[in-house]
Amino acid sequence: AQSVAQPEDQVNVAEGNPLTVKCTYSVSGNPYLFWYVQYPNRGLQFLLKYITGDNLVKGSYGFEAEFNKSQTSFHLKKPSALVSDSALYFCAVSPPYNQGGKLIFGQGTELSVKP
Amino acid sequence: DSGVTQTPKHLITATGQRVTLRCSPRSGDLSVYWYQQSLDQGLQFLIQYYNGEERAKGNILERFSAQQFPDLHSELNLSSLELGDSALYFCASSVGQGRNQPQHFGDGTRLSIL
Repeated sequence: AQSVAQPEDQVNVAEGNPLTVKCTYSVSGNPYLFWYVQYPNRGLQFLLKYITGDNLVKGSYGFEAEFNKSQTSFHLKKPSALVSDSALYFCAVSPPYNQGGKLIFGQGTELSVKP
Repeated sequence: DSGVTQTPKHLITATGQRVTLRCSPRSGDLSVYWYQQSLDQGLQFLIQYYNGEERAKGNILERFSAQQFPDLHSELNLSSLELGDSALYFCASSVGQGRNQPQHFGDGTRLSIL
């Protein structure tokens, strides 16, 4: 079965420090991986995706993610966190085999950046 | 602003009732997706339509149905409502139908069943 796991419910970071939000996946075939961010009372916003190619993917707002096939991970990173980065972050995988654009989401990680 | 419009923003109703949630996709997007977000189940994919046709189906209950109209807007119909149907329902849209497409989400409809 296809699945995504975000092992941390919450990540706390000081402003200016680097941040990492972890994601591991389980999928047969080539994984298509995504990160989305959700601010309070808003819908999800697309940050970045990995389809193929370079393992380091750059996205919106200075975020990047590193695809690691051997560790089946797709961690979200940012070199210097901002207070405004505080939000709920979701990792997602699009499963193969004629399932359209269906996304399977992790349970989400609450990122809190303190001044 | 994602360009995806969902109405209404809030809906309060009683068990056994039927409701319709509406979604207008971004201009130019042909796919519409419906997701349910709840505290216990997280974000769950319900169904995808592409250019009026059902494209993929997830854990959508038989009491729920959806359709996409010729103008590409979509409606999600929920009937015989139960307390457990209380959730945030999101619509998303994308240009194409495939798995490499970023999806753009509306701000959701919060459904409360009393």
